[in-house]
Amino acid sequence: EADIYQTPRYLVIGTGKKITLECSQTMGHDKMYWYQQDPGMELHLIHYSYGVNSTEKGDLSSESTVSRIRTEHFPLTLESARPSHTSQYLCASKLAGTGELFFGEGSRLTVL
Amino acid sequence: RKEVEQDPGPFNVPEGATVAFNCTYSNSASQSFFWYRQDCRKEPKLLMSVYSSGNEDGRFTAQLNRASQYISLLIRDSKLSDSATYLCVVGSFGNEKLTFGTGTRLTIIP
Repeated sequence: EADIYQTPRYLVIGTGKKITLECSQTMGHDKMYWYQQDPGMELHLIHYSYGVNSTEKGDLSSESTVSRIRTEHFPLTLESARPSHTSQYLCASKLAGTGELFFGEGSRLTVL
Repeated sequence: RKEVEQDPGPFNVPEGATVAFNCTYSNSASQSFFWYRQDCRKEPKLLMSVYSSGNEDGRFTAQLNRASQYISLLIRDSKLSDSATYLCVVGSFGNEKLTFGTGTRLTIIP
């Protein structure tokens, strides 16, 4: 089983609130990713990191931000949540050069 | 045009049948290819890598056709537990960029 954890699993909040989705992995992976996936739809890469202090925007524009201060931790923050941010957010990690992504169980966000 | 294209299905197949689906990719410089499986409301997990010579893992066979830029997945003797969405994934730049297809939904019918 993959050692990558996301919290919270489910979150329902009101518009305008600031939220942080946590993601931690204990596998020592240097590459970490955030994907967004709506029900029945494809995964879209929104952020990734090649290592500590490295963050890049993905293919899908997102109003969220990320940070990578420690290897094992890659939190995603929304400063002011809106209903359009309602989605599932999946965190993943992998070793450099390999193709196997290990995903967390996801954080389902609903913004009212 | 999407980088990775798959027929979304759904494919409804009787138990025990053989089912195959394809995926096409647009970037000829793509270097690596994978099939992931995603169960309903769960996270994706690696099913198998796809090698140039084709490879088999039990009832699953994956093929790569670089000239036509497509990969395929064949499932033999399908089982109820094979019901899931199968995601085609293409890697480039040393696997640092993995692009997911929309997935093909498969339902095995008893």
